[in-house]
Amino acid sequence: DAGITQSPRHKVTETGTPVTLRCHQTENHRYMYWYRQDPGHGLRLIHYSYGVKDTDKGEVSDGYSVSRSKTEDFLLTLESATSSQTSVYFCATRLAENTGELFFGEGSRLTVL
Amino acid sequence: LAKTTQPISMDSYEGQEVNITCSHNNIATNDYITWYQQFPSQGPRFIIQGYKTKVTNEVASLFIPADRKSSTLSLPRVSLSDTAVYYCLVVRGNSGNTPLVFGKGTRLSVIA
Repeated sequence: DAGITQSPRHKVTETGTPVTLRCHQTENHRYMYWYRQDPGHGLRLIHYSYGVKDTDKGEVSDGYSVSRSKTEDFLLTLESATSSQTSVYFCATRLAENTGELFFGEGSRLTVL
Repeated sequence: LAKTTQPISMDSYEGQEVNITCSHNNIATNDYITWYQQFPSQGPRFIIQGYKTKVTNEVASLFIPADRKSSTLSLPRVSLSDTAVYYCLVVRGNSGNTPLVFGKGTRLSVIA
């Protein structure tokens, strides 16, 4: 693996509260991605980063923001969580642009009541 | 970016060879093809990648025809532990600031 740690691994929160998920990597990979996975939808890209302070939107970015202030950390924030954001969130990293190999974290299961 | 299409599910008996095909009709010259395996409650795991013709590693083979509009992941002699969801993903080469969008994947069930 690429030394990817996601935290928290499990979280239960209430509608309207802010939530931040953290992805930490130790391999100095340049590119990082946040996906969500729901039954019947496969993996859907939320946001991605191609360098420190360089981020862009994915397929399902509404209601999410991200920040990457240093190479090793990519934060996903739900400013005001909704029940539709109940999901499993996966972080992935990619070493460089000349490879398609992604390394995934173990996932963070978020439940919004 | 190239959109991918795969069969939703496949069944196979243990010991058989399994071929999963992915369609990516609008693949670009710089794009290459990658495949991932995902078990329940785990993140996807990279299996193999290729640009053209055939690539083989200790886990699988990847066949890519000359027009590159499809690719086939071949799993030799599958076992029950190969039951998983398999995704193909087209990646833009030499460009990191592009989104990586997965399709819905193929759920492979291996039967004893």
